Amino acid sequence: DAGVTQSPTHLIKTRGQHVTLRCSPISGHKSVSWYQQVLGQGPQFIFQYYEKEERGRGNFPDRFSARQFPNYSSELNVNALLLGDSALYLCASSLADRVNSPYNEQFFGPGTRLTVL
Amino acid sequence: GNSVTQMEGPVTLSEEAFLTINCTYTATGYPSLFWYVQYPGEGLQLLLKATKADDKGSNKGFEATYRKETTSFHLEKGSVQVSDSAVYFCALKDQTGANNLFFGTGTRLTVIP
Repeated sequence: DAGVTQSPTHLIKTRGQHVTLRCSPISGHKSVSWYQQVLGQGPQFIFQYYEKEERGRGNFPDRFSARQFPNYSSELNVNALLLGDSALYLCASSLADRVNSPYNEQFFGPGTRLTVL
Repeated sequence: GNSVTQMEGPVTLSEEAFLTINCTYTATGYPSLFWYVQYPGEGLQLLLKATKADDKGSNKGFEATYRKETTSFHLEKGSVQVSDSAVYFCALKDQTGANNLFFGTGTRLTVIP
């Protein structure tokens, strides 16, 4: 079975540009979460979506937005890119969204490495 | 708030050496605790977890025990292999919040033959 897939693998942008990152969850998984991993740091939570609705948001500026589609795939959008947005962006999917559910284990994709010049 | 403090790396060990990576946490309520591993060029993989105090998570020879009294979840392995070389992340999930993880900064382990 395919795991979580993300595209593109690598991306280079310049300051001020806009970027869209894509994620396809494991088949049957309805929840998608996004994390930012700056070099040398642990991942930081950005968004969680379940059944196309936002269920959680981390401490990120409004330049970051996301959405989930009817097929449960998701896009992360970042506007007005800054040098500090350079990072590995990880997508994770899970069956359920409730924190106490036994089906909420998150499975991570390989990430999209974004470089902002 | 929620936070995870992890032993600074990098850690370099010889094959068959004993491994300990320290992890302590701060959380509201009673979190679940996790260790994730990230191999070069790959995403995060769940290594083990524990959901309540005194639980021991174990997988592939790695173990960690949820110690509420010391707010710790140290990772141990009795005999490391070259294939264990990776970055290890301690993480928690707050049972009262959203279904998201709070990660430590990661510890890079290199095992030399």
